[in-house]
Order: sequence, then C-alpha cells, then structure tokens
Amino acid sequence: DQQVKQNSPSLSVQEGRISILNCDYTNSMFDYFLWYKKYPAEGPTFLISISSIKDKNEDGRFTVFLNKSAKHLSLHIVPSQPGDSAVYFCAASASLILNFGNEKLTFGTGTRLTIIP
Amino acid sequence: EAQVTQNPRYLITVTGKKLTVTCSQNMNHEYMSWYRQDPGLGLRQIYYSMNVEVTDKGDVPEGYKVSRKEKRNFPLILESPSPNQTSLYFCASSWEPNNSPLHFGNGTRLTVT
Repeated sequence: DQQVKQNSPSLSVQEGRISILNCDYTNSMFDYFLWYKKYPAEGPTFLISISSIKDKNEDGRFTVFLNKSAKHLSLHIVPSQPGDSAVYFCAASASLILNFGNEKLTFGTGTRLTIIP
Repeated sequence: EAQVTQNPRYLITVTGKKLTVTCSQNMNHEYMSWYRQDPGLGLRQIYYSMNVEVTDKGDVPEGYKVSRKEKRNFPLILESPSPNQTSLYFCASSWEPNNSPLHFGNGTRLTVT
C-alpha cells in the first residue's frame, strides 16, 4: 500500500516557466514532509521540507505548499532552469517532534522533471 | 569532502553467492540507513542504525543483514542473493535521525541472475 503517491511519473516544462510537482499521502499521522532531488548516477539530495504546523515554506526558487485537509503537498519551482531536470521524490514521516523523522521516512515513487530549453 | 561512499557501484552476481555492499561516511554521523529503489515503488528502507551496535529493521528487511561495528561503516550483507533482490541500493546517513536531512551515497546497482 503506497502511503505517499506521486501520480505523475514525468513532467516537462519550458525553461523560465513554473514547475509544479504534486504529492498525495494517505497516512494522517504524517507530520513532516520533504522533497529530495536525484540526478542520474547520483544519490538523492535534500531540497526542502515543511512541518505540519505550516502551510508554506520557501527557499529561493523552491516553495513547498501543504494542504493537510486534502493530504496533498506540492513543490513549485520558479523560474525553472535546465539544471532542475532531475527526479524529485516526495517523502513523509510521522516524526512526533515535527522534524525529519529519518528512521521512518516513507518515500513516493518519484517524478521525472525535464526542463526544455 | 563530506560524503557517503558505497562500493561497488555495479555488481552482477549469481543466485546464492554471498555478497557485501560497503558503505562508509566521513561526517561522524550517528544515523545510517539502507534503501532500495525499484521502478514504481520509490525508495524503501531495508535497515537502519541509530548508532554503533544499534540496528533495526526497515520496511523490507527480508534477505538482508547489516552490522554497525564502528560509526563510519554500515555494510549491507546478502547471505544468499535471489533475483528479486536485483535493485538499485542507496546508503544514507545523518547527524541524528530527527534533526537533519539524509545524505545519500551514489548508489550500487545490483543484478542477481
């Protein structure tokens, strides 16, 4: 049973436009959410996170939005750049202390983002 | 350079032949973990370790063993590999499990024939 779902396996966006990656979860105990980015032949790297006490977190071109009632989060990248082409994994944890919760992190299946120059 | 190093990067083996994938981190991290990545399933946790001599099962531990005899190393052992263990494996570490993100190695692609 996939508790964290990324329903779009792939997404193509024109350079300079906004990229929106979506993630849905089913476990209402999840209280901390993260996005990891993965280039080919490399391991994932941490991008941005949000705790359930917030509905938005911003870091430069990257913003994550959390809608707890809909059990949905999204990652916005504005403006999109060619270097953003990668696979993006959404992850969630029921950490109890609203922080990373690495020992029980549940990952989604990933969305491959391609930025078209 | 701060990093998580996995070896080998690629491995092809036959069913039943014991193998070890090594993982080493140079950041003095307490927490280490192993994941496998499979198409349509994302990253699934195999085993994790909160500190030296402390290990615990993740979501898919069957067929795997780990050990944490020293802080920097966390090898993944497949005593009798089977074809369903063909996968891309990632080792990861962090300062603590709850206060910092994971740092991943570059992966080991294992094929069991």
